[in-house]
Amino acid sequence: AQSVTQPDIHITVSEGASLELRCNYSYGATPYLFWYVQSPGQGLQLLLKYFSGDTLVQGIKGFEAEFKRSQSSFNLRKPSVHWSDAAEYFCAVGMFSGGYNKLIFGAGTRLAVHP
Amino acid sequence: NAGVTQTPKFQVLKTGQSMTLQCAQDMNHNSMYWYRQDPGMGLRLIYYSASEGTTDKGEVPNGYNVSRLNKREFSLRLESAAPSQTSVYFCATKTGTASYGYTFGSGTRLTVV
Repeated sequence: AQSVTQPDIHITVSEGASLELRCNYSYGATPYLFWYVQSPGQGLQLLLKYFSGDTLVQGIKGFEAEFKRSQSSFNLRKPSVHWSDAAEYFCAVGMFSGGYNKLIFGAGTRLAVHP
Repeated sequence: NAGVTQTPKFQVLKTGQSMTLQCAQDMNHNSMYWYRQDPGMGLRLIYYSASEGTTDKGEVPNGYNVSRLNKREFSLRLESAAPSQTSVYFCATKTGTASYGYTFGSGTRLTVV
């Protein structure tokens, strides 16, 4: 069955520190991979996406993610975190299954940033 | 260009009451979706609509009905609300193949007491 796992429910980092949020997926075919960010009380904003080609993708707000097929992972990184990055982050896999396009989400990682 | 608009933003219902959550898009997308978001569970698909006039069940359809009367609008109805339906509801749209991203509305926070 298709699934997305985000092993870390909560992460706390200091402002200026580097960040890596983990995402593993289970899907038999080539995945389309997404990272979304949700600020408190807001909707979901697309940070970046991977379809094919270069396995290191750049997104908005200084984020990047690397697709590693051998590890079924798509981890999100940022070299220096800002206080405004405090939010919840969702990894998602897009696929065509059961006759329709669907998006399967991980449970999310809540990021706190200490000054 | 508003994208995806959801109304209302907040709602409190008593158990057994009914209500309809509205979603409208101006992006001319064919596919529309309703998700619910619960703590620690990410977003789960309730219903989707691949095109005007068609709807299908997602992962968690029980207790909900939907209506896609035109391309712009996709409504979600709770006929008899239950406390288990307390959640944040998101409408989303997409076009093209699975490789294209989804656009989400800002959500409706529903509390059933």
